[in-house]
Amino acid sequence: DTGVSQDPRHKITKRGQNVTFRCDPISEHNRLYWYRQTLGQGPEFLTYFQNEAQLEKSRLLSDRFSAERPKGSFSTLEIQRTEQGDSAMYLCASSLAVGESYEKLFFGSGTQLSVL
Amino acid sequence: AQSVTQLGSHVSVSEGALVLLRCNYSSSVPPYLFWYVQYPNQGLQLLLKYTSAATLVKGINGFEAEFKKSETSFHLTKPSAHMSDAAEYFCAVSDRGSASKIIFGSGTRLSIRP
Repeated sequence: DTGVSQDPRHKITKRGQNVTFRCDPISEHNRLYWYRQTLGQGPEFLTYFQNEAQLEKSRLLSDRFSAERPKGSFSTLEIQRTEQGDSAMYLCASSLAVGESYEKLFFGSGTQLSVL
Repeated sequence: AQSVTQLGSHVSVSEGALVLLRCNYSSSVPPYLFWYVQYPNQGLQLLLKYTSAATLVKGINGFEAEFKKSETSFHLTKPSAHMSDAAEYFCAVSDRGSASKIIFGSGTRLSIRP
């Protein structure tokens, strides 16, 4: 078990460009989360999946953001027409949700996005 | 919607002193509550959780937290701080149920003075 992996670790892009991040969760985990974290703040919820179904997307998230988890395994997060305000650490987490039991989230190391 | 508020963005204590990090939650029913820790240059990891069993929850590294429904609080404590406890600590909440997202507070940075 290699844990949650995210690729790339760092991404520098110019304003207006599109970027895509990938997350590979722990293999048996059915739930996958995307969070965004800026310096000095807690992780901000973006969206999450149960298997391949996207259960919720934050209302704070603009239409420029889209996430997929096509086969219930890895997930991608795409940001179109990036803006400087999108600069942040993008975190992926996975968990095994069973019935109404609590979830322990396992976090990846994140993708640091810098928009110039 | 559920939320958590962490009082104090930065707490500094002397080595060996009591650590107290405050967290208050907002939820119509008792939720699940968590504390996560983020050490420098590392990912977040679970410190402890409350899921409705004992109200005093013990976690890793000597930390514990007490769920107080009357105060809607879930403060994190450690009797004696160690230099290695320096990190960012996040309180988190989720509704009970199988399809509930986890919401994090803004975090408290803990510094330890020699």
